[in-house]
Order: sequence, then C-alpha cells, then structure tokens
Amino acid sequence: EDKVVQSPLSLVVHEGDTVTLNCSYEVTNFRSLLWYKQEKKAPTFLFMLTSSGIEKKSGRLSSILDKKELFSILNITATQTGDSAIYLCAVGADSGNTPLVFGKGTRLSVIA
Amino acid sequence: EAQVTQNPRYLITVTGKKLTVTCSQNMNHEYMSWYRQDPGLGLRQIYYSMNVEVTDKGDVPEGYKVSRKEKRNFPLILESPSPNQTSLYFCASSFSRGSEQYFGPGTRLTVT
Repeated sequence: EDKVVQSPLSLVVHEGDTVTLNCSYEVTNFRSLLWYKQEKKAPTFLFMLTSSGIEKKSGRLSSILDKKELFSILNITATQTGDSAIYLCAVGADSGNTPLVFGKGTRLSVIA
Repeated sequence: EAQVTQNPRYLITVTGKKLTVTCSQNMNHEYMSWYRQDPGLGLRQIYYSMNVEVTDKGDVPEGYKVSRKEKRNFPLILESPSPNQTSLYFCASSFSRGSEQYFGPGTRLTVT
C-alpha cells in the first residue's frame, strides 16, 4: 500500500528561524512528489519534484528529493508569520489508479 | 482564469436529507478527485475519476456517490448524510496522473 509520512506533525518557531519539514514515502513506480501550502483555505501548489538531487527554489522556500532514500525536505529560511500554515506532501505514481497520495501534513506556526 | 469551483461553500443540513456538492473545472483536466479533510487525519480521498464515465473509490467512499457525465463536472452526492460526514470537502483536478492538482475553495458541511 502506498504511504506518505510527514514529520514533525506540528512545530512552533520564532520569526527569523529556519525550518526543515520532512516527507518520506513508500510508493510503487514513483513519478513525482509535490508540496502544498494550506492556510485557512484550499491547498496551494509549491513545488513538484521528479528527479533526485535537484533543488527547487522559490524565494525563501526550497525543496529537494532523494529517490534512493525515499524522502524529500522542504526548507523555509528567515520564517515570517505569513508562513504559518499546514504543509502537505503528496506523491504520484505511474502504477495504481489514484492520482496522488497525501501525507497528514505538518502544521507550522511562526510567532513574532 | 483557470480554476476549480465548488458549490455551496457552506452547508448545514439534517441527517438523511440528500444533498449534492457541485464541482467544475475549466482547464480541460482528465483527472478529478474528491477529498475530505478532518483534524488529525489529513486529506483523505473519497472518489476519483480518470475521465468521463470512469470513476473509482478512494480511501473513504462509504456514504458517497459521484458521477462524471461531462469532463468539466464531478458532483459529490450524499444520499443520506449522517453526522460523521461533517467535514471540509475539497474537489481537485489535474492534467495527468501524478501531476499538480488544483484545488477548489472547499465546502464546509455540517450534518446535524
């Protein structure tokens, strides 16, 4: 059974801190790993990763995939209160029918 | 504007009264999904569809029905809602398996 596990489930940091969120997966015929940010509404897309070792970057956020060890990390540097959200990791596979399998998310709270 | 729309956004109803939540996308996506999101449980897939007239069960299909008569629409039907179906529901669509999913704004359903 395909599985996506995120850690930690929740964390609280101060503004300016750097955080690393983890996502490990077990999936047959891996195709892609996606990160989403969810504030008080629908998830919004951050990154899609398909190749190992290639960092994707957008402002203070970056992510990298390790297909050998089956995990990805999402880094946020110089955190701001606006980064407070649930961060979701999802994995897509070429086998099976379901489009994406989601982890339970990491709830990040950034306090001033 | 490319988007996924859901209606209604909020609904309070009573046990047993049939209801339908509509979902529509204007991106010509083949894949569409319904999720429910509950505290501590993350996003759980209810049903998905890979194309017109092709639907399949996700992780938590009991008590729900769907249909895909047209590519753009994917309504979620609760024939006899129960209080345990009180949740936040998201519709999502994607171009292909494993690619980025676009989420609708969510429907908050309360069944009393």
